[in-house]
Amino acid sequence: KQEVTQIPAALSVPEGENLVLNCSFTDSAIYNLQWFRQDPGKGLTSLLLIQSSQREQTSGRLNASLDKSSGRSTLYIAASQPGDSATYLCAVVSGAQKLVFGQGTRLTINP
Amino acid sequence: NAGVTQTPKFRVLKTGQSMTLLCAQDMNHEYMYWYRQDPGMGLRLIHYSVGEGTTAKGEVPDGYNVSRLKKQNFLLGLESAAPSQTSVYFCASIKVPNNEQFFGPGTRLTVL
Repeated sequence: KQEVTQIPAALSVPEGENLVLNCSFTDSAIYNLQWFRQDPGKGLTSLLLIQSSQREQTSGRLNASLDKSSGRSTLYIAASQPGDSATYLCAVVSGAQKLVFGQGTRLTINP
Repeated sequence: NAGVTQTPKFRVLKTGQSMTLLCAQDMNHEYMYWYRQDPGMGLRLIHYSVGEGTTAKGEVPDGYNVSRLKKQNFLLGLESAAPSQTSVYFCASIKVPNNEQFFGPGTRLTVL
């Protein structure tokens, strides 16, 4: 059974810092990995999608990497801003295109 | 494109009452999903559908039923609501072939 773990559960950093969020999964037979952002009381917004054949994806200040063999992904946020404060969720797609989610990392950027 | 929409946004039920949550997508996606999100439990898959007329169980299907009579709609039913079904429910659909999932805004359900 696929299990996804995100560390740390919560992170608080000052504005302007670069930071890394971690995601690990137990079964390397994945189709892809997706990072989402969720603001309090809101839905999920897709940030980056990495196919199993890819090593990384970039969007603006965000960069996501994937190492299937070790079962790890990282989300790098450059020059963090208070507006980046949210919960970040990692999810992997396995059989029948079903997503398995991690518990999320609650990120706070302090002005 | 409206994307993925959910109706209603909020609902309060009494134990034993029934209701149906509607999910609609206008992106012509084949696959649709229902998740529930609970504090400390993350998002868990309830049921999913790989095409019109098909449904399958996910991780936590008990107490729920689903139907996919039209490709664009996926309905989640609670026949006899229980307080344990208090949760936020999210619908999602998938774009093939890259398998990117798109989520609706959620339905916040409280069962008293």
